[in-house]
Amino acid sequence: DTGVSQDPRHKITKRGQNVTFRCDPISEHNRLYWYRQTLGQGPEFLTYFQNEAQLEKSRLLSDRFSAERPKGSFSTLEIQRTEQGDSAMYLCASSHLITEQETQYFGPGTRLLVL
Amino acid sequence: AQKVTQAQTEISVVEKEDVTLDCVYETRDTTYYLFWYKQPPSGELVFLIRRNSFDEQNEISGRYSWNFQKSTSSFNFTITASQVVDSAVYFCALTNSGAGSYQLTFGKGTKLSVIP
Repeated sequence: DTGVSQDPRHKITKRGQNVTFRCDPISEHNRLYWYRQTLGQGPEFLTYFQNEAQLEKSRLLSDRFSAERPKGSFSTLEIQRTEQGDSAMYLCASSHLITEQETQYFGPGTRLLVL
Repeated sequence: AQKVTQAQTEISVVEKEDVTLDCVYETRDTTYYLFWYKQPPSGELVFLIRRNSFDEQNEISGRYSWNFQKSTSSFNFTITASQVVDSAVYFCALTNSGAGSYQLTFGKGTKLSVIP
């Protein structure tokens, strides 16, 4: 049983560039979450999906951030016109709506560095 | 608003010592869930335990035990006979179940170093 996977694991980009991260949840998990974690802090919720519907996105940090889950399976998180303050770890988690909806299982994260 | 406080930023213990990590939470929800996650240096958050607000029984799993006290809004985590492999950052978290999203609110974490 594979866990949550994220790609890439590391990303270095220059300020002003766009970046896209991918998350593949655990098979059959209906809910998918994105979090951001900065150094010395706990993860901070960004957005979540139930199947392909994005049910909460008010916590996305700015309009430069967007997320999709087009077929209810994998998800992408895009940051446009990156800024140095976007440097952080971006974590994805998934949970099963019926059997264990409260428990989120996390992927290894994508560490972003904006130069 | 929900809040999780982990007052201990860093703890160092010598191997085989017992250690307790504190967690205090705030919520207006009557139904909520509390969690502990472990984040080793590799970065991946590892789920350890979930406790719902109706169940105040303490739980033991091997060397790990958890003490949930609703009266003091605390959910403390004890590692008995610590080992070097326990070195990690430990996060306490709380769900926002009222909105149906189960988004997690995390504390800032406690970095545990177990010295051989």
